[in-house]
Amino acid sequence: KAGVTQTPRYLIKTRGQQVTLSCSPISGHRSVSWYQQTPGQGLQFLFEYFSETQRNKGNFPGRFSGRQFSNSRSEMNVSTLELGDSALYLCASSPVSGGASEQFFGPGTRLTVL
Amino acid sequence: GENVEQHPSTLSVQEGDSAVIKCTYSDSASNYFPWYKQELGKRPQLIIDIRSNVGEKKDQRIAVTLNKTAKHFSLHITETQPEDSAVYFCAASLNTDKLIFGTGTRLQVFP
Repeated sequence: KAGVTQTPRYLIKTRGQQVTLSCSPISGHRSVSWYQQTPGQGLQFLFEYFSETQRNKGNFPGRFSGRQFSNSRSEMNVSTLELGDSALYLCASSPVSGGASEQFFGPGTRLTVL
Repeated sequence: GENVEQHPSTLSVQEGDSAVIKCTYSDSASNYFPWYKQELGKRPQLIIDIRSNVGEKKDQRIAVTLNKTAKHFSLHITETQPEDSAVYFCAASLNTDKLIFGTGTRLQVFP
């Protein structure tokens, strides 16, 4: 089975712009989560989606949003980019619904905001 | 809110020695505790996990122990090898895929 894929892998934007990141889970996985990784804050939870529904949301401002499609692919959007949004954005998929289980991470999208 | 503290932030050991990383969680209802290994430039990968109904789990050179009363869990790596060098993250969750991660431990194993 192919692993979790994320596009694009690298992105450079300027302050005030918006960005959309995409994640394709492992085939058959219906749960997708997103994390922000920075040297200072580590790995922080953004969202969790299952069957097109957001089940959990982390402590991020409303500029961060996401969605999941019927084929389980997920996107996250960041509007009005700030310098502090520069980070590695990781998505992860898992095969189990309704309970914690192993999450398989994608390679991440490295976002740089200038 | 939920919080996971992880210590130490860096750990250097000689090849063949043991390494121990400790984590403490704040939400007593947490019931799933995975450990992820992230090599430089790579994605995090699960190395072992434990659920709250189990006190200890072992997989070859890696073991995890859980003390629910004290709300802490630990990763033990025995007979360390240079390829064990990486950043290790502990995490906690409650019945969902929302993982609260510790701040990570950079393990260096010197030959």
